[in-house]
Amino acid sequence: EDKVVQSPLSLVVHEGDTVTLNCSYEVTNFRSLLWYKQEKKAPTFLFMLTSSGIEKKSGRLSSILDKKELSSILNITATQTGDSAIYLCAVGGSNYKLTFGKGTLLTVNP
Amino acid sequence: GAGVSQSPSNKVTEKGKDVELRCDPISGHTALYWYRQSLGQGLEFLIYFQGNSAPDKSGLPSDRFSAERTGGSVSTLTIQRTQQEDSAVYLCASSLGSDRGDTEAFFGQGTRLTVV
Repeated sequence: EDKVVQSPLSLVVHEGDTVTLNCSYEVTNFRSLLWYKQEKKAPTFLFMLTSSGIEKKSGRLSSILDKKELSSILNITATQTGDSAIYLCAVGGSNYKLTFGKGTLLTVNP
Repeated sequence: GAGVSQSPSNKVTEKGKDVELRCDPISGHTALYWYRQSLGQGLEFLIYFQGNSAPDKSGLPSDRFSAERTGGSVSTLTIQRTQQEDSAVYLCASSLGSDRGDTEAFFGQGTRLTVV
């Protein structure tokens, strides 16, 4: 059974701090790893990492895939209160099924 | 459509009643996913469609749960004889699908189901 584990489960920081969120996985026939941000109901897409694209960056957010270690990190620099959300990691495996981790709850205090 | 549309957005039902949740994916997306999210929990996979067929139904929690997709588009998730533990947000997502390579999945706003 495919498995995705995220850490930490929750994190509280102050504005301006840099945070690193972790995602490790066990999946049959790895295809892709995706990061989402969930503020209310619908998760919104951040990044997709594959064997041909192991590093992505958008503004203050960046992500790296380590296929050897079967893991990924999501970095957020100069955090803002608007970054407060649940960050979800998902892995695409056999039959394109997406398996999600439990998420990391990030709280950024002013 | 412009995005994934789910209806209703909220549903309160009495224990023992049947409910039907609807998902209208992005036009042209062949892959469709149903997930369930209980309060404070991650996304629990329920079922995945590629076109009208469901290669993976392993996440359906019991035989009270069923889903279908017709015309490669709209999907309905049906829960029969609802129980209080079925209360959760039911999220639907769609993506271009396996015939278009790896692509991200886009989520609808979800249906919050409350069984009283």
